[in-house]
Formats: sequence, structure tokens, C-alpha cells
Amino acid sequence: EPEVTQTPSHQVTQMGQEVILRCVPISNHLYFYWYRQILGQKVEFLVSFYNNEISEKSEIFDDQFSVERPDGSNFTLKIRSTKLEDSAMYFCASSVGAGANTGELFFGEGSRLTVL
Amino acid sequence: EDQVTQSPEALRLQEGESSSLNCSYTVSGLRGLFWYRQDPGKGPEFLFTLYSAGEEKEKERLKATLTKKESFLHITAPKPEDSATYLCAVPGYNKLIFGAGTRLAVHP
Repeated sequence: EPEVTQTPSHQVTQMGQEVILRCVPISNHLYFYWYRQILGQKVEFLVSFYNNEISEKSEIFDDQFSVERPDGSNFTLKIRSTKLEDSAMYFCASSVGAGANTGELFFGEGSRLTVL
Repeated sequence: EDQVTQSPEALRLQEGESSSLNCSYTVSGLRGLFWYRQDPGKGPEFLFTLYSAGEEKEKERLKATLTKKESFLHITAPKPEDSATYLCAVPGYNKLIFGAGTRLAVHP
């Protein structure tokens, strides 16, 4: 069964360092997403991406965040200068459609980011 | 802004003890309501989509129902393997908006 894969599964970094989280979405999906979940809190939307551009982003997704689809398979989230409050589980997801036509989002296993 | 509220926050059941989880929403024109299951340390896993009031979907011991203002996830004769956090979500513009979830623990 096709699945979304994420790397690394866990990354520990120092405050102020740059981090890149990687995702390989399901191959025939067209919409890609990043969500985050701080320990014990809700799953929060960060950004959605379609046709090689951001289609929607949340207030959390400020200038220190960026996304890229560098080739036909990978989808990355970059955090330029990490802060303590960036410590969270980051989930990548993909879907065939979007909005009311999302049907279902397929989530990866997540990348746990710990900022010290 | 669209909002999703789930209750209770946590629920402890004995194996075989049926119950229901609630998801209430305030959206401008519902375009679907989604239920997901999340196991600890894992990503959410899709369960159901409901589109219109009165619609019901079933999967094993789970049944989801939808009214104009809320959705229920009914769990019939749960087993310990049903222990998880159950999330409901509504679609926004190119995103899903998740509720905080109900943490379900089913004890033998």
C-alpha cells in the first residue's frame, strides 16, 4: 500500500540552527501539506502546496519557514533559525484533491524535532 | 473562523462498554466532516468522511453520524486495540482544520 515517508524520524538541534525535514508524498497525489503537533496539543496546519507553489499557510508559517519540492518526489520543510518553541512533531501529508474534495489526507509517521 | 470542538477530552472505558464521542463545528457552509484515528507517536489515519446531515458510515466497531451542527463517533463493544486519540476535522481552504481530539482508553 502506498504511503507517505518522512525523514528523519527524530532530529535534535541547537537553537538558531537550520533544519530541513523531508517527505516523499504518495506518487499520484497532487496536494502536499505540513502539519505540526506540539506534545499534548492539537494537530495544527502549517502550509499546503500545489502546482509548485504555496496555496495556503497559517499564521504559524512565518518567514523562518519555507517549503520546496526540489524534484518530482521530495517535499521539504525548512526552518531557518530554530527556536525552542519549534520543538514538535512535524507531519507531512498528501492528498489527491483539496478542500471539500480532499477525500482523505495520508499522513506520514512524522519527524520529531527537539530544539535545545 | 471555522472551529471544531471535541468532547470529552478523555474517555476511559471497560472492554465491551459502548460509548460516543462528540464533535461540534461552526463552519460557513459545511463541505464535509472527517474522522481520523491517531495512535501515540504516529500520524493521523483516515477513518470516515460525512457530507450531509443524516449520513452514517460504519467500520468494524465504529459508526460515525452527522447532524447539522455536530457529529458523533459511536464505539460499540470496544476492545483494547481501539485505544487511540480520535480526531475530527473540517475542510478549510486547501487544508483540514482538526479538533483537539478525544483520548480513548479501553481497558480489559
